[in-house]
Amino acid sequence: DGGITQSPKYLFRKEGQNVTLSCEQNLNHDAMYWYRQDPGQGLRLIYYSQIVNDFQKGDIAEGYSVSREKKESFPLTVTSAQKNPTAFYLCASSSGRASHEQYFGPGTRLTVT
Amino acid sequence: AQKVTQAQTEISVVEKEDVTLDCVYETRDTTYYLFWYKQPPSGELVFLIRRNSFDEQNEISGRYSWNFQKSTSSFNFTITASQVVDSAVYFCALSALTDSWGKLQFGAGTQVVVTP
Repeated sequence: DGGITQSPKYLFRKEGQNVTLSCEQNLNHDAMYWYRQDPGQGLRLIYYSQIVNDFQKGDIAEGYSVSREKKESFPLTVTSAQKNPTAFYLCASSSGRASHEQYFGPGTRLTVT
Repeated sequence: AQKVTQAQTEISVVEKEDVTLDCVYETRDTTYYLFWYKQPPSGELVFLIRRNSFDEQNEISGRYSWNFQKSTSSFNFTITASQVVDSAVYFCALSALTDSWGKLQFGAGTQVVVTP
């Protein structure tokens, strides 16, 4: 089955710890994206990547880091510098063209206490 | 910069009623694309429709219909004869041709609650 997988579905961490969220796609898409969703709010772009070994900051990149070593994978690290890390994180991929829709993974709900 | 406004935070209807979700957008680009996504309680966003700025034809897909009007910068979504399974958050989004690599600007979303 083609699609996007994110793991785990739920993640709990103590404050001060870095945590890495996984995102894998087998759609052969060039572009991948990370979004953050807070209750009652829309999606805000954290980082996006156009090709392997290249990525750009989105609207709220502070406190986050990413890597794109493989076309299929785009992990997101939430660092201890992120002041409000508790949120729902969604990964997406697309062809990269403005005219094409993005496909989303099931999301990871991160809780930091 | 692109902007999408979904003024309705939540809409509650009884099953079989029609519901219309409003979406108003702002962009200086002449070529752009509009999208609607559904987010059920499971959390994953599901793509519903894409419209480009040069195609103002309304579209119908089963119980879903979309009304695109460039004159008012609106791309509204109607669910006819709503069902409980339609309960979800619906997002309108915009992508402009000049944006890097298909970046989407999302509205805040509208929660639709359909009760039996």
